[in-house]
Amino acid sequence: AAGVIQSPRHLIKEKRETATLKCYPIPRHDTVYWYQQGPGQDPQFLISFYEKMQSDKGSIPDRFSAQQFSDYHSELNMSSLELGDSALYFCASSTGTSGYSGANVLTFGAGSRLTVL
Amino acid sequence: GQSLEQPSEVTAVEGAIVQINCTYQTSGFYGLSWYQQHDGGAPTFLSYNALDGLEETGRFSSFLSRSDSYGYLLLQELQMKDSASYFCAVGNYGQNFVFGPGTRLSVLP
Repeated sequence: AAGVIQSPRHLIKEKRETATLKCYPIPRHDTVYWYQQGPGQDPQFLISFYEKMQSDKGSIPDRFSAQQFSDYHSELNMSSLELGDSALYFCASSTGTSGYSGANVLTFGAGSRLTVL
Repeated sequence: GQSLEQPSEVTAVEGAIVQINCTYQTSGFYGLSWYQQHDGGAPTFLSYNALDGLEETGRFSSFLSRSDSYGYLLLQELQMKDSASYFCAVGNYGQNFVFGPGTRLSVLP
């Protein structure tokens, strides 16, 4: 079965550089979520998209932006990178609107590990 | 705002039963989910409760009491491979899921 695909798996950047992470959700999943997870921490919700429109926003820094494209893939753009941005970034997808049972099953990608030097 | 509480660590032996509790405070709540995450891996979905009561899926069961804003994950017949972090997550009508701090389960031989 198709899973959530994230790229790149590993990324090393210098401070103040820019990084872009990509996420390809499971086919026919209409909702994409982005999470940031630091070492030993829980996943922190950044932003979500439903049917290509931003549906909710969490603790996403202003330096970060994201969008979902017509083919439902999503990109997380991070600028002016800081050391504290080093983390594992997960994308997850689900199907259905809030309250629908299917919407509660998030399938996560393997994550993109960003290291900022 | 939203907040969830879980014990930080739980230790048990193979074959035992362990319960991981989760309490939450949130608005627009519509369900409590549980995810398992092994070190370096991605969270994987285990169970979901929208209504009060017990949901059973093999060796794992999850319980929800909406009136108490409380739920738990019950793991039976523990195996070494169950050693992982377990997160409760609250879904709400804002199209986001807030994860709890996670409980690190160590299963000893």
